[in-house]
Amino acid sequence: GQNIDQPTEMTATEGAIVQINCTYQTSGFNGLFWYQQHAGEAPTFLSYNVLDGLEEKGRFSSFLSRSKGYSYLLLKELQMKDSASYLCAVMDSNYQLIWGAGTKLIIKP
Amino acid sequence: ETGVTQTPRHLVMGMTNKKSLKCEQHLGHNAMYWYKQSAKKPLELMFVYNFKEQTENNSVPSRFSPECPNSSHLFLHLHTLQPEDSALYLCASSQGSGSGTDTQYFGPGTRLTVL
Repeated sequence: GQNIDQPTEMTATEGAIVQINCTYQTSGFNGLFWYQQHAGEAPTFLSYNVLDGLEEKGRFSSFLSRSKGYSYLLLKELQMKDSASYLCAVMDSNYQLIWGAGTKLIIKP
Repeated sequence: ETGVTQTPRHLVMGMTNKKSLKCEQHLGHNAMYWYKQSAKKPLELMFVYNFKEQTENNSVPSRFSPECPNSSHLFLHLHTLQPEDSALYLCASSQGSGSGTDTQYFGPGTRLTVL
């Protein structure tokens, strides 16, 4: 079967750095997406990785290792507004997105 | 504002009611999606439309009936729902390019409660 694993919840301090991990087992791979979802709001697209390595976008970076079936989202200089759920999703061989259950990130002052 | 709107934002209905959820996208996309999001569970893909044709129906019960009159509008008709159908229903759209970079953009969802 297809499976995406990510931690259910994480806590971090304002101004710090946090890494949210995602491991996957899917039938085929056509890219990995990270989305941010604030409570009661739409998931919003953060990043897309299809090649191994690190993609940096301001305070957010996303890393991919296809051989290990592993990705992480790195958030630097955390702000209170970063409190949200972070969803990992993999596009499989049928170009269908397989989703993780999301990681709820709590930022404390 | 992501360019995808959904109405209503909240809906409470009895098991014998009939209601419809509406989604509209202003992004010029060709593909539209319905997802169900339950607490602490992965997003469940329900239906996919590409160029107004339904291309996916992931074993969704017949009490959920989609309609896509054009590439910009998507409806989900609901009838005789069960309490376990209570969830957040999300609509999304994408270019429909069938490639790995086909990013989906989401609406804010309809929070449905079935009594």
